[in-house]
Amino acid sequence: GAGVSQSPSNKVTEKGKDVELRCDPISGHTALYWYRQRLGQGLEFLIYFQGNSAPDKSGLPSDRFSAERTGESVSTLTIQRTQQEDSAVYLCASTLMGQGFETQYFGPGTRLLVL
Amino acid sequence: KNEVEQSPQNLTAQEGEFITINCSYSVGISALHWLQQHPGGGIVSLFMLSSGKKKHGRLIATINIQEKHSSLHITASHPRDSAVYICAASTNAGGTSYGKLTFGQGTILTVHP
Repeated sequence: GAGVSQSPSNKVTEKGKDVELRCDPISGHTALYWYRQRLGQGLEFLIYFQGNSAPDKSGLPSDRFSAERTGESVSTLTIQRTQQEDSAVYLCASTLMGQGFETQYFGPGTRLLVL
Repeated sequence: KNEVEQSPQNLTAQEGEFITINCSYSVGISALHWLQQHPGGGIVSLFMLSSGKKKHGRLIATINIQEKHSSLHITASHPRDSAVYICAASTNAGGTSYGKLTFGQGTILTVHP
């Protein structure tokens, strides 16, 4: 596709349920990032994938959060036992090499609401 | 103290005015990004710079590495420029630079006709 895509665009779930969010990066981009933006707050880094290197998980807020990436393609962010404070827009971005010198291309985000 | 600080948090202008948004950072960076986020919309990368100045249309971004400061300028502002402008730093980690972004809190810009 032409850009980064994410699905679903909106997700409403009940507290305690698991959710899975998907990101399709731009083809050929080796680096993929997940960010979170809670209502009225700034963006927060969650996790970073670069090629076959071990991911940087330093931004994951708790062990309920996990993410996987298949090769240099799709990534899924899973939130287990969701809590109301997990409500946020989850954004995915990709870039060609992830060396810090490239523009990051953002997806439209998944708006998650935990009731 | 946040690693990336923006000012002002809110900015209101009349159409045609010259606008400046400032960003200061305390981390070692490989690059400084300016992003634009429209209400209900996605995030668009405006600039990515590591030195000097870049210009695109009515937008100009500058960075002073020694002072750890960057500015985003909008000339001849227009109501369609109304958005949240976010400064973000690609940080150096353990001597290896990579693209993890540390974000400022954003500046909400409203341009009135």
